[in-house]
Amino acid sequence: SQQGEEDPQALSIQEGENATMNCSYKTSINNLQWYRQNSGRGLVHLILIRSNEREKHSGRLRVTLDTSKKSSSLLITASRAADTASYFCATDAGRGNKLVFGAGTILRVKS
Amino acid sequence: NAGVTQTPKFQVLKTGQSMTLQCAQDMNHNSMYWYRQDPGMGLRLIYYSASEGTTDKGEVPNGYNVSRLNKREFSLRLESAAPSQTSVYFCASSEYGSRDTQYFGPGTRLTVL
Repeated sequence: SQQGEEDPQALSIQEGENATMNCSYKTSINNLQWYRQNSGRGLVHLILIRSNEREKHSGRLRVTLDTSKKSSSLLITASRAADTASYFCATDAGRGNKLVFGAGTILRVKS
Repeated sequence: NAGVTQTPKFQVLKTGQSMTLQCAQDMNHNSMYWYRQDPGMGLRLIYYSASEGTTDKGEVPNGYNVSRLNKREFSLRLESAAPSQTSVYFCASSEYGSRDTQYFGPGTRLTVL
């Protein structure tokens, strides 16, 4: 069963535009993480936000967390072609606090 | 510092054959994980090892076994491969536990005919 579900499933934008991806989850969490996966590669950790945090920044990335709505969003500003990848949210709501991943959002940035 | 390495990168098996996927990390992490990734789905946890000498089942353990050989190495074995095990397999590690940031290997693409 998937705890986190990303929305949209796919997103296509022009270089320079902002990209927003959303993640919804079902049960209480301690933290939520976002990962990026380039085609044919392993996942790379982007950012971790704890349940007592509302917003976190890392370079061009901005993550928000709304525990009352059980949702998070990842904003990538001034997107680049190199941002083309799949983006996954993961919550620590699995059995024994294991990470549970969503199905991901496929982002395509056109140059 | 190679991070997490996996071998092989690609493998084709016939139904009923066995094989072991190897994983090693050089970050001195305590916890290690095996996931599978299927099209249109996120990663699903097969097995994990919270620390050297311990292993436990994840969400989809049937048909797999694991060995935490030492702190660095965590192998995944398919005793009798089935077409349903065709997938991309990722190994990951984290310093303290599953809530911690996980570092992933490049993956093994396995096809079972």
